[in-house]
Amino acid sequence: DAGVIQSPRHEVTEMGQEVTLRCKPISGHDYLFWYRQTMMRGLELLIYFNNNVPIDDSGMPEDRFSAKMPNASFSTLKIQPSEPRDSAVYFCASSSGTVPQEQYFGPGTRLTVT
Amino acid sequence: AQKVTQAQTEISVVEKEDVTLDCVYETRDTTYYLFWYKQPPSGELVFLIRRNSFDEQNEISGRYSWNFQKSTSSFNFTITASQVVDSAVYFCALIANDMRFGAGTRLTVKP
Repeated sequence: DAGVIQSPRHEVTEMGQEVTLRCKPISGHDYLFWYRQTMMRGLELLIYFNNNVPIDDSGMPEDRFSAKMPNASFSTLKIQPSEPRDSAVYFCASSSGTVPQEQYFGPGTRLTVT
Repeated sequence: AQKVTQAQTEISVVEKEDVTLDCVYETRDTTYYLFWYKQPPSGELVFLIRRNSFDEQNEISGRYSWNFQKSTSSFNFTITASQVVDSAVYFCALIANDMRFGAGTRLTVKP
């Protein structure tokens, strides 16, 4: 079975540009999570969805960040405009069930903003 | 506020040694869930174990074991007879009314 798929795996962009990260969760999973990992701040939950509906976006750092889940098999995390401090590894994860279950993580997208 | 503390930033052991990774958590909720994840050098996080607050039984899975003690708010992870392939960053996480990860412990197992 395919795991969580993220694209691109690496992204290098210039400050001010729009960046879109993509995620395909595991089929049948009804929860989707976006995380950011940096050396300074560790692993942070940005937002999560249940049945395509955003449930908690309190971790989204600023209005420059937005996330959507138009259907059960696709989600995007957009940064517009990007800044050098957004450089990080962004992970997508999915899980299923009403009780907190283990999350399956994608390989991550390493974003570098110059 | 909820918090997860992994006081050990880095641990280095020699192969076949036993090693314990500490995790201390804080929450006011009576229902919560604790997790351990492994992040090998490849970067992807891998689930290891989940425990809910009503189940204090210790768990053993091969060389891995977990000790959950509500009295000390700890959920420690022990690797017995460590191997080089155990080298990774290990994260403890807490889910109650929100989700928190610890800062992680980088374990290096030398041959």
